[in-house]
Amino acid sequence: DGGITQSPKYLFRKEGQNVTLSCEQNLNHDAMYWYRQDPGQGLRLIYYSQIVNDFQKGDIAEGYSVSREKKESFPLTVTSAQKNPTAFYLCASSQRLENTEAFFGQGTRLTVV
Amino acid sequence: SQQGEEDPQALSIQEGENATMNCSYKTSINNLQWYRQNSGRGLVHLILIRSNEREKHSGRLRVTLDTSKKSSSLLITASRAADTASYFCATVIGGNQFYFGTGTSLTVIP
Repeated sequence: DGGITQSPKYLFRKEGQNVTLSCEQNLNHDAMYWYRQDPGQGLRLIYYSQIVNDFQKGDIAEGYSVSREKKESFPLTVTSAQKNPTAFYLCASSQRLENTEAFFGQGTRLTVV
Repeated sequence: SQQGEEDPQALSIQEGENATMNCSYKTSINNLQWYRQNSGRGLVHLILIRSNEREKHSGRLRVTLDTSKKSSSLLITASRAADTASYFCATVIGGNQFYFGTGTSLTVIP
């Protein structure tokens, strides 16, 4: 089945630790995205990548880092510099075409303890 | 920020009634899309309307777009309890950069 997979579903982190969220897609999409969603809020763009080995900052990139070494994978690292990392993180992918939709993973809920 | 805004933030209706939610955005767009999110899950695409279109239908969904006012509306007709979810508009700029609104939480009471 084609789709986009995020893991783990739930993640707990101690303050001061870095943590990496996984996102894998087998849709052969060039573009991938990371969003952050806070309770009752919309989605805010963290980073996006239009092609392998290239990525751009979104609206709230501070305290986060990404890599895009393979077309299928776009991991997000939440660093200790992120002051308020507890949130729901969503990964998405799309074709690099106009008038195309985004496909989402099921999300990772990160809690700092 | 390119994030749009939706209203109302929350909407509660009886089963069988129609639900209307609105989206306002800030910049020129290639297209506007609507997505649905069940609690704690990822988003699912519902419908896309291009910048040169004014209205589009898909089943019980009707979307309008007014680019002069930078606004869109989503109408769900004959609502069902299973329509209970959050609904987000997404503006697409620069080819495929997706910016999502703040969402409308819809509750359909059986």
